[in-house]
Amino acid sequence: AQSVAQPEDQVNVAEGNPLTVKCTYSVSGNPYLFWYVQYPNRGLQFLLKYITGDNLVKGSYGFEAEFNKSQTSFHLKKPSALVSDSALYFCAVPDRSGGSYIPTFGRGTSLIVHP
Amino acid sequence: DGGITQSPKYLFRKEGQNVTLSCEQNLNHDAMYWYRQDPGQGLRLIYYSQIVNDFQKGDIAEGYSVSREKKESFPLTVTSAQKNPTAFYLCASSIGGRGGYTFGSGTRLTVV
Repeated sequence: AQSVAQPEDQVNVAEGNPLTVKCTYSVSGNPYLFWYVQYPNRGLQFLLKYITGDNLVKGSYGFEAEFNKSQTSFHLKKPSALVSDSALYFCAVPDRSGGSYIPTFGRGTSLIVHP
Repeated sequence: DGGITQSPKYLFRKEGQNVTLSCEQNLNHDAMYWYRQDPGQGLRLIYYSQIVNDFQKGDIAEGYSVSREKKESFPLTVTSAQKNPTAFYLCASSIGGRGGYTFGSGTRLTVV
C-alpha cells in the first residue's frame, strides 16, 4: 500500500521566516504526491503536486515542495511565512486498491504563523 | 464555475435518526469520495465510487450508506447504526484518481 506520513502535528514559525512542513512517503514505483491546505470549517484546497520531472515543484500562494527520492520525502516550503498561511496542511498519495486509485492523506500538520 | 457543492453546511441530528448529506459536482469527474474528519485524526475514507451505479466501502463504512445513481451526485446517509456520527464530512471528486482531487466545503454534523 502507498502511504504518507507527517511527523509533526504542529509547526510554529514567526511571520517573515521560512517555513517547512514535513512529509515522507512509502510508494512502490514512481510516486504521485500532493499537498493540500485546509482553513477552519472548509474543504481542502490543492496547493501543488509532483508527478515527474523537476524535484522542486512550485504551487499556489508562494508554496513549493522538494521531492527527495533518497530520503523519500516531499517537504512543503515557503521562503517567507505570512500570518494568513496559518492552517492545516495535508500531504497525500493515491493508493492502489483493486483497479482504483484512492487518495490517502497524512494526519495533517497544523501550521501556526506568529505575528 | 465548476466545483463540488455540499449541503447543508451544518446539520443537527437527533439520536436514532437517519440523515442524508448531499454532494453534487459539475466537473464531469468519474470518481467521488466521502471522508470523515475528526480532530487529530486526519481524513478517513467512508465510501468511494469510480463509476455510476458502483461504489466501494472505505475504511470506516459501518453505519453509513451511499448511492451513485447519477454521475453528478453521491449522497451519503448517516444511519442510526453509526454510534458516533458527530464529525466534519468532506466530499471529493477526481477525474481518474491520480490527477488530483477537488473537495467540497464540508458538512458539520452534530448529534443533539
